[in-house]
Amino acid sequence: AQSVSQHNHHVILSEAASLELGCNYSYGGTVNLFWYVQYPGQHLQLLLKYFSGDPLVKGIKGFEAEFIKSKFSFNLRKPSVQWSDTAEYFCAVNARGGNAGNMLTFGGGTRLMVKP
Amino acid sequence: DTEVTQTPKHLVMGMTNKKSLKCEQHMGHRAMYWYKQKAKKPPELMFVYSYEKLSINESVPSRFSPECPNSSLLNLHLHALQPEDSALYLCASSHPGTGGAVEGYTFGSGTRLTVV
Repeated sequence: AQSVSQHNHHVILSEAASLELGCNYSYGGTVNLFWYVQYPGQHLQLLLKYFSGDPLVKGIKGFEAEFIKSKFSFNLRKPSVQWSDTAEYFCAVNARGGNAGNMLTFGGGTRLMVKP
Repeated sequence: DTEVTQTPKHLVMGMTNKKSLKCEQHMGHRAMYWYKQKAKKPPELMFVYSYEKLSINESVPSRFSPECPNSSLLNLHLHALQPEDSALYLCASSHPGTGGAVEGYTFGSGTRLTVV
């Protein structure tokens, strides 16, 4: 079964600082990777996803993530954060094939607070 | 319509009550999911329906009973719940299998359930 680890549980940044949130997964086969954001009191929204091709993917709101297969990583980055980026960020993995292809496994989440 | 609609948004129920959570989507997605999210934790998969058939049950107690009456609707029937079942219950939908992985999953806003 697949698993996902997010090493930073809480991150506090000032506005305009750069952001990098770590995500590592464990699965022997081919995976699809996602980052979701959950703003306070709101539902999960897809930031970006990777399933094939260019390992550097760009998402909404200036976010990007890089898939490094050799490191089993899919770190999320943003060059300059804003106060409105304050939210919980979840990395998720979907293992391809069979019933597992229907399952999203989430990491523990990283709570980001951006100070104005 | 690109939304997953969940009702009710909030629900308070006693341990002897029977209630149902409802989820609806009109995106033509043939895979639908129930996730449970406790405070400050990631969503945890409960059930997966693929083409209106239950394909995954993640060892969920029988006091939770899912139902998929048609391709647009997903219900979660609740009976004799415990206070520890209080959580945010999220519904999601996607194209099944590989399609879901490619296009991603759409989440509803959730039902915040409190069991007293």
